[in-house]
Amino acid sequence: QSALTQPASVSESPGQSITISCTGTSSDVGGYNYVSWYQHHPGKAPKLMIYDVSKRPSGVSNRFSGSKSGNTASLTISGLQAEDEGDYYCSSYTSGNTVIFGGGTKLSVL
Amino acid sequence: EVQLVESGGGVVRPGGSLRLSCVASGFTFDDHGMNWVRQAPGKGLEWVAGISWNGGSTGYADSVKGRFTISRDNAKNSLYLQMNNLRIEDTAFFHCVRDISWGGFDIWGQGTMVTVSS
Repeated sequence: QSALTQPASVSESPGQSITISCTGTSSDVGGYNYVSWYQHHPGKAPKLMIYDVSKRPSGVSNRFSGSKSGNTASLTISGLQAEDEGDYYCSSYTSGNTVIFGGGTKLSVL
Repeated sequence: EVQLVESGGGVVRPGGSLRLSCVASGFTFDDHGMNWVRQAPGKGLEWVAGISWNGGSTGYADSVKGRFTISRDNAKNSLYLQMNNLRIEDTAFFHCVRDISWGGFDIWGQGTMVTVSS
């Protein structure tokens, strides 16, 4: 069970858009439409932003969107705001009834 | 208010055991699968184990398989994680989390710290 691959860090200016990638295999990301994305601020519990590749839980801004192509899933954040800074993790359901996370991406809004 | 509250963490020697508990409130507990997710100091999130709404199906990360056991008591709105043969690398904050989909964890507890140290 190797972690899904995410960039260690990304940065962009306020108001711009950014996309974070999450690469797995055909046994996880590519095989199931069960990719989720989490926002994590230090000292707080992670927050679910996207599930089932592209669904947004109630209360999550529509500036957050998810997609998938082959073995790579993506989280796009439009109209970046300072409060979007933090760590972002993807996860995927895998064969064998398990879940795997990505290594996390630190987003900086410059 | 929808809430998950963990307990049972602490300091234990390598090879020792601990049992974590999680009490749910504010929602129908047996409508949801439940999971444990951990985060070691300075590290990322790691899924540990999951259990279906009725306890009939469970899954474990390779790193804990054979050592940890997840269980639930729907009558008590409670989730458990029995951890045996603990290793130093098990040191982490353990979160109880609710499932809304396969790997979609929408409610997180604040966590309980487990420290494995000699």
